[in-house]
Amino acid sequence: QQQVKQSPQSLIVQKGGISIINCAYENTAFDYFPWYQQFPGKGPALLIAIRPDVSEKKEGRFTISFNKSAKQFSLHIMDSQPGDSATYFCAASYYGGSQGNLIFGKGTKLSVKP
Amino acid sequence: DAGITQSPRHKVTETGTPVTLRCHQTENHRYMYWYRQDPGHGLRLIHYSYGVKDTDKGEVSDGYSVSRSKTEDFLLTLESATSSQTSVYFCAISTTTSGSYNEQFFGPGTRLTVL
Repeated sequence: QQQVKQSPQSLIVQKGGISIINCAYENTAFDYFPWYQQFPGKGPALLIAIRPDVSEKKEGRFTISFNKSAKQFSLHIMDSQPGDSATYFCAASYYGGSQGNLIFGKGTKLSVKP
Repeated sequence: DAGITQSPRHKVTETGTPVTLRCHQTENHRYMYWYRQDPGHGLRLIHYSYGVKDTDKGEVSDGYSVSRSKTEDFLLTLESATSSQTSVYFCAISTTTSGSYNEQFFGPGTRLTVL
């Protein structure tokens, strides 16, 4: 069974702190790992993604760290802001069009306190 | 929002009635998906389509059917709605082409309540 395990379920961080969300996967064929951000009442929005040929990808305050040997990847939000309060989903898939459907983690609800 | 609209945005229906949800895209992407989102379960794939009249089942397809007669429209039908199908339904499109990574973009969702 293909799975992506995400932790923690919920996270409370003070403004200016670092938020860290972790995901682990089982299928070594996965080679595309996106993160989605979802605000209440909205659809998930693609935030940042990584492929396993690099160990880290940074876009602004958001960084993905990837550990291929451990089959783990994580999202780091630096200088967390109240506007970052949302639910975050990790996902994984593999190269191959429709055969590479995304497998999602169950989500992490982030609350950033002012 | 990648040119995706869903209709209706909210619906309340009764057990046993048929329900059809519509997803419309404006950019002629080949791949389209229907997901349901429930607390504690994340996003689960119901059905997907890889072209007109080409569809396949996802993880939670029981009780659902889909149709795609035009590139721009992907319909999800609950033939006889049950309370367990109360959920938020999201449509997504993928900018993938054959042999590429599956970047998916989501619509705004439909909140369905089955009484």
